[in-house]
Amino acid sequence: KAGVTQTPRYLIKTRGQQVTLSCSPISGHRSVSWYQQTPGQGLQFLFEYFSETQRNKGNFPGRFSGRQFSNSRSEMNVSTLELGDSALYLCASSRETGSNYGYTFGSGTRLTVV
Amino acid sequence: QKEVEQNSGPLSVPEGAIASLNCTYSDRGSQSFFWYRQYSGKSPELIMFIYSNGDKEDGRFTAQLNKASQYVSLLIRDSQPSDSATYLCAVKSQGGSEKLVFGKGTKLTVNP
Repeated sequence: KAGVTQTPRYLIKTRGQQVTLSCSPISGHRSVSWYQQTPGQGLQFLFEYFSETQRNKGNFPGRFSGRQFSNSRSEMNVSTLELGDSALYLCASSRETGSNYGYTFGSGTRLTVV
Repeated sequence: QKEVEQNSGPLSVPEGAIASLNCTYSDRGSQSFFWYRQYSGKSPELIMFIYSNGDKEDGRFTAQLNKASQYVSLLIRDSQPSDSATYLCAVKSQGGSEKLVFGKGTKLTVNP
C-alpha cells in the first residue's frame, strides 16, 4: 500500500517567487492536512482539507493557500516567498475527518528560500 | 492559545532502561492524543494513540493518559539504540477537525 507522496522533495527558491507543493494521500484517505516544521517553532498546522473543502486553517498569512482535488490530492501554494518560509513542509492524510487514528505523514518537501 | 508542552530534553538513557517521556496540554476539550517518533531528517511516524484515561500498551511502548491532570506520557521499556529519535506529542481537540497541536518534541538518546 503506497504511503503519502509529496513532490518535490527539495526546492530552492528566491525571495518574492511563489511555489506549489503537491501531496497525494494514501488511497482511500480523504482528509489531507499540511504542516510547516522549523527548528524554532516545531510542527505548525497550516490547513486541512476534506472532500475538496478547507475545514480548518492555522495562523499563517494569506500568502499560504491550498486546495484539494476530487481525487483527494492536495496542493499548497506559497506566494511572495520570504526567507522565513524556509522549512520542511509536511502533508499528512487520514481515513476520515473526526477519526481517532491519527495521521500518516509524507516524507515532506524541504523548501529553502534564498 | 491551545498549547502542548513537552520536556525539551535531551533525554539520555542506557540501553535496556525505561525511557519516560511526558506531555501536558492546556485544552480540556482535547479528545485524542498521539505520540509520533521522528528520526533525524525523516518525517514523523505514528507510534501510539490513546483517547481513554489509563494505560495503553503496544509492545515495548505504553501510553498513559490522565485527562483530569491534562497529562499524557509515553514509556519505552527495554530501550534500544534504534529508539534514539525525537518524540512528538500531539493533541486533537473536540469536533470534526483533524487539526493536531504538536509539542516541540523531546530528543531521546539511548546509549549502548
